[in-house]
Amino acid sequence: SQKIEQNSEALNIQEGKTATLTCNYTNYSPAYLQWYRQDPGRGPVFLLLIRENEKEKRKERLKVTFDTTLKQSLFHITASQPADSATYLCALDPSGTGNQFYFGTGTSLTVIP
Amino acid sequence: SAVISQKPSRDICQRGTSLTIQCQVDSQVTMMFWYRQQPGQSLTLIATANQGSEATYESGFVIDKFPISRPNLTFSTLTVSNMSPEDSSIYLCSVDDTGANVLTFGAGSRLTVL
Repeated sequence: SQKIEQNSEALNIQEGKTATLTCNYTNYSPAYLQWYRQDPGRGPVFLLLIRENEKEKRKERLKVTFDTTLKQSLFHITASQPADSATYLCALDPSGTGNQFYFGTGTSLTVIP
Repeated sequence: SAVISQKPSRDICQRGTSLTIQCQVDSQVTMMFWYRQQPGQSLTLIATANQGSEATYESGFVIDKFPISRPNLTFSTLTVSNMSPEDSSIYLCSVDDTGANVLTFGAGSRLTVL
């Protein structure tokens, strides 16, 4: 079956440390993968998109890697802050046509002051 | 990015009734996506709605239970029919308004079925 799994349901880290979240997928060969942030009571907000020919993508304190051989994406938040506390979701478009977007199981990140 | 308004933001309904959720976008978009997010869970795609054609439903979702309308390029509705407590979820509308294969979401409609 097709799955998109994220490493853990909840992750707690100390402020200032780097948070690393994992997204693993099976039976897909996506052309790109996305990461979203969701705060309680709100819809997800897009953060980053990484294509299959890109090994790494950065945006401010965020870094995403994409390993199509391992079928895995890693999402890093460096110098984490309590304001980074949220649920993070990976998502992929199986066909690459923009007609369907499937989301991972999500990881709830708590940054402890 | 687009601004998406969903109505109602929340509702409490009785078993066996139906509820229609509205999604209004401030710009014209080709595709609109409807998701369900059950308590403590991630997002599950219900269907994709193109203007002027029948919605395309994902496995496990059927038109009789979740009829969708898409009368124009800025508006869509999702109806949850013959509701049961298992339908208690947040229902989210989203669009790719930039053509960059990135989704913008509404705030969601929280539905509780008693």
